[in-house]
This record gives sequence, structure tokens and C-alpha cells, in this order.
Amino acid sequence: DTAVSQTPKYLVTQMGNDKSIKCEQNLGHDTMYWYKQDSKKFLKIMFSYNNKELIINETVPNRFSPKSPDKAHLNLHINSLELGDSAVYFCASSPDIFSLAHNEQFFGPGTRLTVL
Amino acid sequence: GIQVEQSPPDLILQEGANSTLRCNFSDSVNNLQWFHQNPWGQLINLFYIPSGTKQNGRLSATTVATERYSLLYISSSQTTDSGVYFCAVETNYGQNFVFGPGTRLSVLP
Repeated sequence: DTAVSQTPKYLVTQMGNDKSIKCEQNLGHDTMYWYKQDSKKFLKIMFSYNNKELIINETVPNRFSPKSPDKAHLNLHINSLELGDSAVYFCASSPDIFSLAHNEQFFGPGTRLTVL
Repeated sequence: GIQVEQSPPDLILQEGANSTLRCNFSDSVNNLQWFHQNPWGQLINLFYIPSGTKQNGRLSATTVATERYSLLYISSSQTTDSGVYFCAVETNYGQNFVFGPGTRLSVLP
């Protein structure tokens, strides 16, 4: 299926650990994003990458480091996890700038991170 | 930055009823999308609608960009329509995709 996929779907870990969430899209899109959804369902962008280059970096702690090995993948690595990092993390992608709806975003299924 | 408001915050309907959800935004936009987050947490694209009107089955949406609002219409609601409906916008000068706070819809059988 063509889609944005994320692994794992659920992640439960202890405070202080380091963890990674992977994202892949096979839609041929140029731009990928990470969003965080907090316990009140509020969604906010964290990062945006275009063709493996970082273009948006919101005020996110530097414990969060995105990595894009190629334009189909955008992984999120989190160091020294804290209780407040518990949330659902969504990956998304959008087409290239020459597409008619170049900025329409398509979301992955989300990764629920719980820090104990 | 741009402000996005949605109303009502919560809505309870009987199955079969119609409803209108509203999204107001404070600046010019070049992208507006409506999403449905189902009870399992999936974010489902409903409409890409920076302007104009679109329809997809029982759902339709209208964006009046000059007046800075968008409406999502749900007709003959079903229990599977339950969840949270978000609108999200991107400004003409490339400000990040900003989500509204959502409307939580519960459709009762």
C-alpha cells in the first residue's frame, strides 16, 4: 500500500533512556515532518525536512534529533527521555513544490510514546 | 503567528442528524486541510481546501479565504463519524502548518 508508515506503534520506556521512531513514505514526496500531539490532543509541528535538508526546526529541545538518510525516510531520535515527552508523535509528508497541491500533508498512524 | 479557532469545541449528535463545524483563521492562507482523528488515533485526510467548495459523499467543505473561515458539513451522521475534527492551515508566507484545537464529535446510536 502507498502510505506513510511509522514504527513502532507503541513505545514504553524509562526516563533517561534514548529511543528512536522511524518513518517511511512511499508516496514519492519531497518533504517530511514530525508533529507532537499532547494529552489535550493539541498538534504542533516539530521539524520539517525537504530532500533530506532541515527547513523547519520549532522550539524543540535539542534532545530531539531528526535524521533523514534519504528523502523517503525521516527518523526521530530522542535522548535522555523525560516524563513530559510522553505524547503521540506523527510523521507526515507532502509532495514536491511543482505539484498542484504541493503542500497537502499526509499523516502516518502515529507512535504513542509513554515515559515512565 | 496565525491563530486558528474551531467551533464548537464539543458536539453531540443523534445518528442521522446534520452538523456544521467551523474553522476561523487570522491571516491569509495557501493551504487549509480538514482531518478526522478517529477513536483509534488515526489522522485521516478529509479535504485539501484552501478555497472553494468540495464534496465527498456525506461530507462537504467550503473555504471562504477572503473572510478567513472554513466550514465542514456532515450530513446524515453515523456513529463512525465520531472523533475529533481538526482544521490546519499554512500561511501565504510559509508559516508552519498550524492546527486548530479541534471539535470533538460524538454521534450516538
